[in-house]
Amino acid sequence: AQTVTQSQPEMSVQEAETVTLSCTYDTSESDYYLFWYKQPPSRQMILVIRQEAYKQQNATENRFSVNFQKAAKSFSLKISDSQLGDAAMYFCAYAGNQFYFGTGTSLTVIP
Amino acid sequence: GAVVSQHPSRVICKSGTSVKIECRSLDFQATTMFWYRQFPKQSLMLMATSNEGSKATYEQGVEKDKFLINHASLTLSTLTVTSAHPEDSSFYICSARSILRQAVDTEAFFGQGTRLTVV
Repeated sequence: AQTVTQSQPEMSVQEAETVTLSCTYDTSESDYYLFWYKQPPSRQMILVIRQEAYKQQNATENRFSVNFQKAAKSFSLKISDSQLGDAAMYFCAYAGNQFYFGTGTSLTVIP
Repeated sequence: GAVVSQHPSRVICKSGTSVKIECRSLDFQATTMFWYRQFPKQSLMLMATSNEGSKATYEQGVEKDKFLINHASLTLSTLTVTSAHPEDSSFYICSARSILRQAVDTEAFFGQGTRLTVV
């Protein structure tokens, strides 16, 4: 099975500042996608951003962007202009034939 | 985005009984559905991958006879926790991939989750 690792169990950021969440993965597959999901207290999983492994260009979605380093198997999420509503658990996910999640990072936004 | 409905959202059952959780894709056909278990403040642990019309693929360490998965149609997968015990109490989440997109190039859409409590 593929493994997805998030080395930061908890992170905090000041409102309006920028924060970067780390994610590394291990795979032998050549074709896969990577995702960042947000899970608020409601437990509903919300897609934040996706990255196709075959694309070199980093994905961006409004205030969210990724730094995808395929050779290093690294996939970090940058949140700019952090808002109080960004506070949640963030999960990095690997999608090949199966769909695996990282260990999660709890993000706190400080007003 | 596509909608996945999971039912029930909460269930309490007695030890030794079985509980069935349904996962339905409401506005798309799903060839693949995933079942996860999530403990408090922990990640989603993949239990099994369910493909329509075939046997589910279970992750290592997941008891096939305890967690029965059926994916009989392109819009419905069920997880049955058989002879439930208190240690089976957890949050269970399903997700589904659309048939319209092939292989890995699609996000998975998630159900709302089921909180199972075995007393």
